[in-house]
This record gives sequence, structure tokens and C-alpha cells, in this order.
Amino acid sequence: DAKTTQPTSMDCAEGRAANLPCNHSTISGNEYVYWYRQIHSQGPQYIIHGLKNNETNEMASLIITEDRKSSTLILPHATLRDTAVYYCIVRVVSGSEKLVFGKGTKLTVYP
Amino acid sequence: DAGVIQSPRHEVTEMGQEVTLRCKPISGHDYLFWYRQTMMRGLELLIYFNNNVPIDDSGMPEDRFSAKMPNASFSNLKIQPSEPRDSAVYFCASSLSGGSQTQYFGPGTRLLVL
Repeated sequence: DAKTTQPTSMDCAEGRAANLPCNHSTISGNEYVYWYRQIHSQGPQYIIHGLKNNETNEMASLIITEDRKSSTLILPHATLRDTAVYYCIVRVVSGSEKLVFGKGTKLTVYP
Repeated sequence: DAGVIQSPRHEVTEMGQEVTLRCKPISGHDYLFWYRQTMMRGLELLIYFNNNVPIDDSGMPEDRFSAKMPNASFSNLKIQPSEPRDSAVYFCASSLSGGSQTQYFGPGTRLLVL
């Protein structure tokens, strides 16, 4: 699986949009981009995933650049409960079922 | 659905003792994963099963660790003998083949080996 690069930490004011970047310049054509998050002391939680097109669900939006070398997870209206470590992972869905977690981005939402 | 269930939630034991961690996956899921999380190494995959069969155990640290899945509803991870460096949070996750193959994680077991 391709490696990803994320900032170590980010801050965001409550109610504002949180934009979390991820670089995956070596991504292959059959690899998806997945985002998980881990709130302190809990198990990781799936957020969203995509291949080429932008995706949106009730939690977040995922914007993938046209060359697929980077993506951005957007939490449109961050709340204090969104404070967590966010992991960007690329993987082949039809191959190994492994998820390889990097260090992620620690997002702190402040009042 | 109750989600992935793990027990115990906390375990404190002494070095040399056997430790057994348990996991009940989401009903109908055919993949089960065991992860370990420490401050030093982050979240790492130990082993995963498909239809109760171990597929990849390359992440299992050494022979002291073993995992089994006797049926679709249960898996255990054993450490024998336990050592202080095994102290970590152990997560179990399950997923369904096909589709997005999203992994759903349990709450974890916090293990402290004294």
C-alpha cells in the first residue's frame, strides 16, 4: 500500500470547517483513499473513502485532486467532539484487507 | 447491532502469566482483525482472519502470541508468557467482504503487564 503524509497536528475553531490534508503521491490506480479517526481511548472509527470522485456523507466530505496525489478531508462544522487523531490510509480494496495506520493528524477543536 | 465486543476491557497481570483477550465480531462479518496500539509503535496489525482462517499473521510479534477463531462469532488472542513490553491497547475489528470493506473496531482491551 502507498504511504501517506499528514501534518502532525492542526487546530480548528468550533463551528468552522476543518480541512485535513493528506499527500499520497505514489498512489496506484486501484488504490482507494480511506479516512478513519480515533477519539481518545476509543477504537478507530471509519469516516469516508473514495477512489477518484469527491465524496460526501453525514460526517464529512472527501476531496481528491484530479491527479489523485493528494486529498483533503473536510469536517464542515467542527465541534469539540471532533477532537481526535485522523488517519489517511490508501489501500487496494480487492487485494489484501490490511489497513496500515500511520501517525495521523491530531485535530484539536477549541471553543 | 451491538458492534464489535471485546473482553475484558481492562486487564492487569503479572509478568509470566497467561493473558487471553476475547472478541466477538459483528454478526455476518467474515473478516476479523487484531491490532495493537502503543505510544511508541502506533496502531499495528497483528493478524487477520477470513472465514475463520488466519490469512496473515506476519504482524504477530513472536511465538508468545497466538490467535484463534474457532467459529464465526468468536476469536481470542493469547499471550503466554506475558511480558511488560506487551502492555498496550489491543483492538479487534471486523469487516464484510465486498463493497467498501469498512473495518469496525471494538472498544479495545487495555493490558498492563507488571
